[in-house]
Amino acid sequence: DAKTTQPTSMDCAEGRAANLPCNHSTISGNEYVYWYRQIHSQGPQYIIHGLKNNETNEMASLIITEDRKSSTLILPHATLRDTAVYYCIVLIQGAQKLVFGQGTRLTINP
Amino acid sequence: NAGVTQTPKFQVLKTGQSMTLQCAQDMNHEYMSWYRQDPGMGLRLIHYSVGAGITDQGEVPNGYNVSRSTTEDFPLRLLSAAPSQTSVYFCASTPYARHTEAFFGQGTRLTVV
Repeated sequence: DAKTTQPTSMDCAEGRAANLPCNHSTISGNEYVYWYRQIHSQGPQYIIHGLKNNETNEMASLIITEDRKSSTLILPHATLRDTAVYYCIVLIQGAQKLVFGQGTRLTINP
Repeated sequence: NAGVTQTPKFQVLKTGQSMTLQCAQDMNHEYMSWYRQDPGMGLRLIHYSVGAGITDQGEVPNGYNVSRSTTEDFPLRLLSAAPSQTSVYFCASTPYARHTEAFFGQGTRLTVV
């Protein structure tokens, strides 16, 4: 599975859009990009995933570059409850073994 | 619909003791897995199962046993607890289909003294 690189921490003001980057330069053609988050010490929560097209759901948007070597998770109107560690994971088709790195610790400030 | 249920939520063991961490899911998911999370670190895969009767090792399997006799349950056994196994343990389940999200339990916080 491809390795991912994320910033260690980020800050964002409440109500603003939070943009979390992820580099996955060694991603292969059949690997998807998944995002999970972990609030405090709870179990991780799925956010969104995509292959090559931009994706949007009720929680977030995922923008994947054309060469697929990087992606950005966008939380459009961040709230204090979005403070969490965000994990970017690249997953081969059919595989379900999630490999978690260090993630990005996102802090939403009032 | 309870999702993924882990018991107990907290446990303190003495070195050398054995115990079983329970994990149950009511979503009829085929795939289940166990992770551990040490302070300040991401999750690491211990064992996983792609269906009843089938298990395999993950990244850090030493010191742990698993079995999968039913679709619903996936217990994790610590054979002889060591302080290095102090961690938070998460169980997850996923429908065995492509490109679906994993559902995680709330974790078991284990301290070995």
